[in-house]
Amino acid sequence: GIQVEQSPPDLILQEGANSTLRCNFSDSVNNLQWFHQNPWGQLINLFYIPSGTKQNGRLSATTVATERYSLLYISSSQTTDSGVYFCAVDRGSTLGRLYFGRGTQLTVWP
Amino acid sequence: EPEVTQTPSHQVTQMGQEVILRCVPISNHLYFYWYRQILGQKVEFLVSFYNNEISEKSEIFDDQFSVERPDGSNFTLKIRSTKLEDSAMYFCAAGTGGYEQYFGPGTRLTVT
Repeated sequence: GIQVEQSPPDLILQEGANSTLRCNFSDSVNNLQWFHQNPWGQLINLFYIPSGTKQNGRLSATTVATERYSLLYISSSQTTDSGVYFCAVDRGSTLGRLYFGRGTQLTVWP
Repeated sequence: EPEVTQTPSHQVTQMGQEVILRCVPISNHLYFYWYRQILGQKVEFLVSFYNNEISEKSEIFDDQFSVERPDGSNFTLKIRSTKLEDSAMYFCAAGTGGYEQYFGPGTRLTVT
């Protein structure tokens, strides 16, 4: 299967700080999604971004498919941003099976 | 945003018992998936389902697992004889095949 590596594994920030989370993948992909797992365990869709750049409020994401990486930017972080951020990719050769990275655990302190 | 629902939110069962986890996917999506996440680990693919049959399954999805769409709306995952290591969060997802997938809130299964 495809390898998905996320960095850093852990990130601790003060409220108001900015951060960048990275996702590297080992093969060309048809689909890339970023998720936020909240304290209740729910996976919240953040972005569907197989290529290009998208923004949604304080969050933005960029995927450079040719170089096999994606970045998630969080600006002016808030305590509610805490949780695990997962990147997941679909290789495109199957009917949409997603391969997940191990996630980045983000903790934002007030 | 489209919504996938799952029931129950939490299920506790004894080892060896059968459990059925239920999902109501988004009505106009045709591809359905089950994933699981053991506590503290990454999310893992179990199975994909399209046109009323399994289209792909992982090595985790062995003979104790089965899926079906009994009534055209619900999508179920059955675990025939649960083991301690089946304790995990189980997520249902729906999509249009190779594009964005929408995840349900999950069912936390605890096997004692």
